[in-house]
Amino acid sequence: ELKVEQNPLFLSMQEGKNYTIYCNYSTTSDRLYWYRQDPGKSLESLFVLLSNGAVKQEGRLMASLDTKARLSTLHITAAVHDLSATYFCAVDYYGGSQGNLIFGKGTKLSVKP
Amino acid sequence: GAGVSQSPSNKVTEKGKDVELRCDPISGHTALYWYRQSLGQGLEFLIYFQGNSAPDKSGLPSDRFSAERTGGSVSTLTIQRTQQEDSAVYLCASSTGVTNEKLFFGSGTQLSVL
Repeated sequence: ELKVEQNPLFLSMQEGKNYTIYCNYSTTSDRLYWYRQDPGKSLESLFVLLSNGAVKQEGRLMASLDTKARLSTLHITAAVHDLSATYFCAVDYYGGSQGNLIFGKGTKLSVKP
Repeated sequence: GAGVSQSPSNKVTEKGKDVELRCDPISGHTALYWYRQSLGQGLEFLIYFQGNSAPDKSGLPSDRFSAERTGGSVSTLTIQRTQQEDSAVYLCASSTGVTNEKLFFGSGTQLSVL
């Protein structure tokens, strides 16, 4: 059974600081996704990581994937209030249906002035 | 349409009643997914449709849950004899069906079973 674990689950940051969210998964997969969810809203795709060593960046967010370690990171640089949201990683179960994404429990990020 | 549309946005029902939730995917998207989001269980995969292929129903929690997709477009998720533990946000997503493509999610249906 594929398990996806995120940590931390809650993160309170000050504006301007850097931090990293970690996503570990338990079995082989070479497809990992990061999504953002604002309160009361649906999920918005941030990054799709498809190979070992993949790194993608947009604005103050950078995601990376290490398939050997079964680890993805989402790094936040110089946080701003607008980044406050819940961030989910999801792994496509290797060999399974494309649609069967297994999600982590999410990291609720709060950026304070 | 411009995005994935779900209706109703909120549904309150009594225990034991049947409910139908509707999803209208992005035009041209061949893949359609249903997920359930609840506080205790997080985001759970329910069912996946891809074109004319048989759907992947492996995530449906019980035989009270079923879904269909008519004409390769609109999908309906039906929950029979609802129970309180069915209370959750039901999210629909669609994609182009190309492997590794990201999913586009609708805003969900908040189901409350009293």
